[in-house]
Amino acid sequence: GENVEQHPSTLSVQEGDSAVIKCTYSDSASNYFPWYKQELGKGPQLIIDIRSNVGEKKDQRIAVTLNKTAKHFSLHITETQPEDSAVYFCAASSAGNEKLTFGTGTRLTIIP
Amino acid sequence: NAGVMQNPRHLVRRRGQEARLRCSPMKGHSHVYWYRQLPEEGLKFMVYLQKENIIDESGMPKERFSAEFPKEGPSILRIQQVVRGDSAAYFCASSPVVLNTEAFFGQGTRLTVV
Repeated sequence: GENVEQHPSTLSVQEGDSAVIKCTYSDSASNYFPWYKQELGKGPQLIIDIRSNVGEKKDQRIAVTLNKTAKHFSLHITETQPEDSAVYFCAASSAGNEKLTFGTGTRLTIIP
Repeated sequence: NAGVMQNPRHLVRRRGQEARLRCSPMKGHSHVYWYRQLPEEGLKFMVYLQKENIIDESGMPKERFSAEFPKEGPSILRIQQVVRGDSAAYFCASSPVVLNTEAFFGQGTRLTVV
């Protein structure tokens, strides 16, 4: 089955700087890669996703890149703000296998 | 996120009791997924259901756990004879179509077994 690894497990950045979180996956059939943000006591919130036919996708301060050959994808947050502090999870799934396999999460702390 | 409704938000059960967790998907969604999250860990897939059908239950323990998604009403995750190790946050997600599309999560049910 699919295995998703996520790094780093914790990340602290100064407000205004950029944050990068990286994930690798094992199943070459995976073709859908969402990122979720989870705040304390809440459910995961989808913030951006990318499919395997695209190499990069951007939504305001958030971008995701995908390298299918290397089987890794990354989340980039620019101009970080205190409200970006949360736990971020990457995930992967493949057509015909609807379940999401999640990474272990990155606790992002933005230092004012 | 607000569209997927889970209740109760918090549930306390004594060892040996039954826990029933309910999930109402977003309007127009017919696919429901249940995930379990242990403290400080990621989410682990349990079961995937469509109306009146269990599609994939490969992540659900064979004993004590069951799930349903009836034609009418919410999806139910049932845990019989709960043990301390069942304490976790249980999240439900829903999606509108098949073929790995966006899944939206509810706020979860935090189960504590005492």
